[in-house]
Amino acid sequence: SYVLTQPPSVSVAPGQTARITCGGDNIGSKSVHWYQQRPGQAPVLVVHDDTDRPSGIPERVSGSNSGNTATLTISRVEVGDEADYFCQVWDSSSDHLVIFGGGTKLTVL
Amino acid sequence: EVQLLESGGGLVQPRGSLRLSCAASGFAFSDYAMSWVRRAPGKGLEWVSTVSGNGGSTYYADSVKGRFTISRDNSKNTLYLQMNSLRADDTAVYHCAKIWNYGDGWGQGTLVTVSS
Repeated sequence: SYVLTQPPSVSVAPGQTARITCGGDNIGSKSVHWYQQRPGQAPVLVVHDDTDRPSGIPERVSGSNSGNTATLTISRVEVGDEADYFCQVWDSSSDHLVIFGGGTKLTVL
Repeated sequence: EVQLLESGGGLVQPRGSLRLSCAASGFAFSDYAMSWVRRAPGKGLEWVSTVSGNGGSTYYADSVKGRFTISRDNSKNTLYLQMNSLRADDTAVYHCAKIWNYGDGWGQGTLVTVSS
């Protein structure tokens, strides 16, 4: 089945820009979605369909997708952004509908 | 606003069974596919199973196929996960989620611990 690869960790200082990647074979041809999960809490959708933000998600959170890499970008990082981030695609061509990346721990130094 | 509330988790012995429930509100439950997603300690999110809106189609991850059964009662706005032959590696927080393409509604989760 389709595999999504994320770096285990990304570290950034407050006020800087964090970029979290999600690699997959020709992922640019798929719609990629991103979730934030803080400890003990439910996942929260932060970007869907590569670039769209749900209501309530700040404009400093953005997504892009091309070739073999999708990227979640968080500008002007805040301490409150520290969390685990997961990318996800929908694979309707198989019985394994929902595929998650392994997750990236964002640490704000 | 989508609200999902899981229940039924707990401590169970290996090879035991457990039934999880998820009460849904805030949306037209029967119009949407529903899923279970779990997160084991120190691991990432893992999709477990999905059921279509009318319950007629079900999908399972290889790791649970043949052991878990997803179902729903649209008259009660409730999603279920029957888990049999539980193993230590099924230990996780189980989240109910409204996912079709992407997940725009998630429950807080219920903890399942498989241990003797």
